[in-house]
Amino acid sequence: QKEVEQNSGPLSVPEGAIASLNCTYSDRVSQSFFWYRQYSGKSPELIMSIYSNGDKEDGRFTAQLNKASQYVSLLIRDSQPSDSATYLCAAENQAGTALIFGKGTTLSVSS
Amino acid sequence: DGGITQSPKYLFRKEGQNVTLSCEQNLNHDAMYWYRQDPGQGLRLIYYSQIVNDFQKGDIAEGYSVSREKKESFPLTVTSAQKNPTAFYLCASTPGDTGFTDTQYFGPGTRLTVL
Repeated sequence: QKEVEQNSGPLSVPEGAIASLNCTYSDRVSQSFFWYRQYSGKSPELIMSIYSNGDKEDGRFTAQLNKASQYVSLLIRDSQPSDSATYLCAAENQAGTALIFGKGTTLSVSS
Repeated sequence: DGGITQSPKYLFRKEGQNVTLSCEQNLNHDAMYWYRQDPGQGLRLIYYSQIVNDFQKGDIAEGYSVSREKKESFPLTVTSAQKNPTAFYLCASTPGDTGFTDTQYFGPGTRLTVL
C-alpha cells in the first residue's frame, strides 16, 4: 500500500451538491494531514489541515479524520463551478521531514 | 507584496545541459522546499532547507543540486544526470523551522521542458 492514496477521479457533481473527496493512508505516515487545491497549471494552495480525530469545519469545507480506519476526507458543501480543480491529500512522514502527497482527485462541478 | 517568486515560468533545455531554476521569497521564512510534479501525479520532494547553509535530500534528489547561501533564495539546478527532467517544478516555504506542520506557501512554479 502506498503511503497516501486517492482516487484520481474525475468526480463530477452538480452545482449546489456536496462533493466528497477521500484519502487513505498507511502506517508509514504521521498523524498530520493536509488538503490542497490545485487549479490546472497553477500551484497548490492549502485548504485545511487536520491533526485530531473527528471533523474540522471552515466555511463550506469540512475535513474529517478517522484514525482507526486510516482515512481522511474533505467535504465541500454547496459546490460551485469555481471549486472545479484537483484536490491533493498530503500527510507528514513519520520523521516529520517531508510531506507525502497523493496523486490528487479531479473534481468537476457542473452548472 | 510578500510572496514567493519563481523564474522563469517556462524553460526549455536541450539534453545534456544544466539549468538553474530560481526561487526567491520575501516572507522571512526559514524553511524552503523544492518539489517536482508530473502530469496526473502528486508532488514529490526533491530537496529542502530549514536554515541557511544547510539542506537535505528529499525522495528524488538524484540529478539535482541546490544551495542556500541566503535566507531569501533557494535555487535548484537540474543537471544532465537527471534522466527525465521534463516536469512542473514548485518551490515552497514555511514560516519557521518546525517542519511541515507549518502552512506551506507555494510559488507559481516553473515548467521545464527538455527538447
